[in-house]
Amino acid sequence: EAGVAQSPRYKIIEKRQSVAFWCNPISGHATLYWYQQILGQGPKLLIQFQNNGVVDDSQLPKDRFSAERLKGVDSTLKIQPAKLEDSAVYLCASSPIKEAGSGNTIYFGEGSWLTVV
Amino acid sequence: AQSVTQLDSQVPVFEEAPVELRCNYSSSVSVYLFWYVQYPNQGLQLLLKYLSGSTLVESINGFEAEFNKSQTSFHLRKPSVHISDTAEYFCAVSPGGYQKVTFGTGTKLQVIP
Repeated sequence: EAGVAQSPRYKIIEKRQSVAFWCNPISGHATLYWYQQILGQGPKLLIQFQNNGVVDDSQLPKDRFSAERLKGVDSTLKIQPAKLEDSAVYLCASSPIKEAGSGNTIYFGEGSWLTVV
Repeated sequence: AQSVTQLDSQVPVFEEAPVELRCNYSSSVSVYLFWYVQYPNQGLQLLLKYLSGSTLVESINGFEAEFNKSQTSFHLRKPSVHISDTAEYFCAVSPGGYQKVTFGTGTKLQVIP
């Protein structure tokens, strides 16, 4: 079974530029997450999709971050314009739950490492 | 709201010695608890999870964790560590439902030869 795929793995941009990350979840997984992991910290949920609807985006800085999940499959996360403090690893994850329920496992991709200079 | 506290940011331990990584949580509702491991330059992988039933859960590589409701803890233990266990370990909590998972700040386990 293929895992969660993310690209690009590494990206270096200047502040005020834009960047986009792509994620393809495990086939059949209804729930998709984007987490931000700053060096030395735990992952922080940015946005959670259930199929192509947003379940939680309370911690997404909406003035500069946007995410979409067209057709309920793959997803893109965009940052525009980037700030120095956006330097982090952006982790995409997916889960097989289809409705509110028990603690199914979340499967993570390897992450996209962003450095803003 | 829920939160997770991992008091130790780094834990050095000699190879073949026992180790305990501490995790405490707070939540106003019943929770599911998880330990994830992150090897260098990789994503997080589930190590073990507590959903219900027996309070002691085990992983396939010798780790175990015990859910203690009265102390709101879910400490991770291994009786004898190997070099390959060197990684960062994250405790996480979820109230179920649409499964918003909150992660702790992580504990780096350094196994010394």
